[in-house]
Amino acid sequence: DTEVTQTPKHLVMGMTNKKSLKCEQHMGHRAMYWYKQKAKKPPELMFVYSYEKLSINESVPSRFSPECPNSSLLNLHLHALQPEDSALYLCASSQVDRADYEQYFGPGTRLTVT
Amino acid sequence: AQTVTQSQPEMSVQEAETVTLSCTYDTSESDYYLFWYKQPPSRQMILVIRQEAYKQQNATENRFSVNFQKAAKSFSLKISDSQLGDAAMYFCAYRSGDTGNQFYFGTGTSLTVIP
Repeated sequence: DTEVTQTPKHLVMGMTNKKSLKCEQHMGHRAMYWYKQKAKKPPELMFVYSYEKLSINESVPSRFSPECPNSSLLNLHLHALQPEDSALYLCASSQVDRADYEQYFGPGTRLTVT
Repeated sequence: AQTVTQSQPEMSVQEAETVTLSCTYDTSESDYYLFWYKQPPSRQMILVIRQEAYKQQNATENRFSVNFQKAAKSFSLKISDSQLGDAAMYFCAYRSGDTGNQFYFGTGTSLTVIP
């Protein structure tokens, strides 16, 4: 099983809403990642969790709040987003956070902020 | 910071033909990895092929192969016997072996396969 699942597939939210994105993997991976991808652009790294601890936060605004409740699950809590935050949010996982280990990507959540 | 350049925003290839996607990168590091990722429309990104910088031999995966020119800092992807399912956005990526955290992606090449 090399699957990373993400829910929901699509999300439309207003600027005052609070919502969460969910990512799950059952491959025993200890590194998990959130990326943001705008249309026709490459993914941009947002957060890295290694052994359930936040190891990288790429200067992401505080309206994005990650959470890693256990080694299989990664959440991204959203609050007071802006229209420019509309994008595809990708989750990925890797056995460990090292370049010689493959990252497996989920299908993404397409977020629209109105 | 490392930079990855894909100079071909769009490419097209006839089915069953061969196409080469180009990628150049800039780094002063000696320990790094290079990747080609494929992202079909509305589908998830998957790893196509990976090359370790310390390996001289070019990586191959079935119909996909790379031409890794370390001195020229070039890492092109060759797709042989192109199939309709190869149509996708292809991203070249660099990752340091030292820090290990950050992917540096190119801007992508959109490949169309013509039946």
